[in-house]
Amino acid sequence: DSGVTQTPKHLITATGQRVTLRCSPRSGDLSVYWYQQSLDQGLQFLIQYYNGEERAKGNILERFSAQQFPDLHSELNLSSLELGDSALYFCASSVAGSAYEQYFGPGTRLTVT
Amino acid sequence: AQSVAQPEDQVNVAEGNPLTVKCTYSVSGNPYLFWYVQYPNRGLQFLLKYITGDNLVKGSYGFEAEFNKSQTSFHLKKPSALVSDSALYFCAVRDFRDDKIIFGKGTRLHILP
Repeated sequence: DSGVTQTPKHLITATGQRVTLRCSPRSGDLSVYWYQQSLDQGLQFLIQYYNGEERAKGNILERFSAQQFPDLHSELNLSSLELGDSALYFCASSVAGSAYEQYFGPGTRLTVT
Repeated sequence: AQSVAQPEDQVNVAEGNPLTVKCTYSVSGNPYLFWYVQYPNRGLQFLLKYITGDNLVKGSYGFEAEFNKSQTSFHLKKPSALVSDSALYFCAVRDFRDDKIIFGKGTRLHILP
């Protein structure tokens, strides 16, 4: 158990819909990262937050957004969902920035039908 | 541009034999390098990292990695493979420009009984 929690574990929704994925980092970790993992694209970095502020952005679509709250939990919002958004979404946390090892949650499996 | 390459999609090793999973990188400045492992239906787990110092880094589960600056490589090794080592292995490098981690495409390791 990494200490990072993600909810829900599974999510099935229809095209065009909007969903919110939630992540709670390990106690004491200030950085949160979001990743998308699919069979054809591999592991794609989406976005990183540090202590409530956006720190780095990766291949995140404009339809996706995220935030980190004062209690350090984070949410990833995916809107206007398309079939191609079906993937595993991982959250990870680290003590500070990317110089430190990341601890990954169990992931949320999103299926768009 | 900062990048990391894992030249092998899959590596097969007989149980008890030594294993090597290859990784090469391209960064400006001194690299921060990481190895992670992903077991089926799980999030990634941190194995080891290199920041500075000894070129041979020891990590979890008996794994070690050798940093070679002249060859820009960071290969993962284990002296004697176990069937339970079968998993997906990711090499990663820190991008200093924007503090994000770049992951390789992953190498699937099969340990044959």
